[in-house]
Amino acid sequence: GAVVSQHPSWVICKSGTSVKIECRSLDFQATTMFWYRQFPKQSLMLMATSNEGSKATYEQGVEKDKFLINHASLTLSTLTVTSAHPEDSSFYICSAEGVSGGRAFRDEQYFGPGTRLTVT
Amino acid sequence: AQSVTQPDIHITVSEGASLELRCNYSYGATPYLFWYVQSPGQGLQLLLKYFSGDTLVQGIKGFEAEFKRSQSSFNLRKPSVHWSDAAEYFCAVGRNTDKLIFGTGTRLQVFP
Repeated sequence: GAVVSQHPSWVICKSGTSVKIECRSLDFQATTMFWYRQFPKQSLMLMATSNEGSKATYEQGVEKDKFLINHASLTLSTLTVTSAHPEDSSFYICSAEGVSGGRAFRDEQYFGPGTRLTVT
Repeated sequence: AQSVTQPDIHITVSEGASLELRCNYSYGATPYLFWYVQSPGQGLQLLLKYFSGDTLVQGIKGFEAEFKRSQSSFNLRKPSVHWSDAAEYFCAVGRNTDKLIFGTGTRLQVFP
């Protein structure tokens, strides 16, 4: 159990366009989802935390108008990179924690495989 | 400031050799501690975690880690490495399971 998927796995877009990344919990209800950004040979940096039905909480330095996060259901969160520029090129990873059938999946974060974004 | 340091960027070992990956942290209180492994095309997988209690923690795939409060360390060990262990390993800390602070990772290469 506790599988998280991301779509797409990689995307190339032109500068100035927007791109949406989906994060789904496949077999549990994700009450909380997290979005990370990972630069090459660097650590994962938490961008924001979202709870289902609430506005996301962004980390310091993350532009909320540029990185729009929607967590409208217990199985889906989306990250939209608006007006993307080459410096937004990165590896974006989501994770989730929650419940399923009464069992809590809150003792760890379950990570998706990531989405490679390249902005040309 | 809260931080995690993984001093070794890249480690190469022979298959069957023992392994120790270092992790040092700076945190205001006793943190929750995690080790994750990242393989290409796959999400981060939790190897083990420490919340409290016994400072020697057993994880999956034969890994273990020891929390040493006096040294602010949480080193990961495995007595005999398999070729399939080649991956990127991340140490992480947090006040709970949220808001994790990750180290920069250690890339493990295994030679036959």
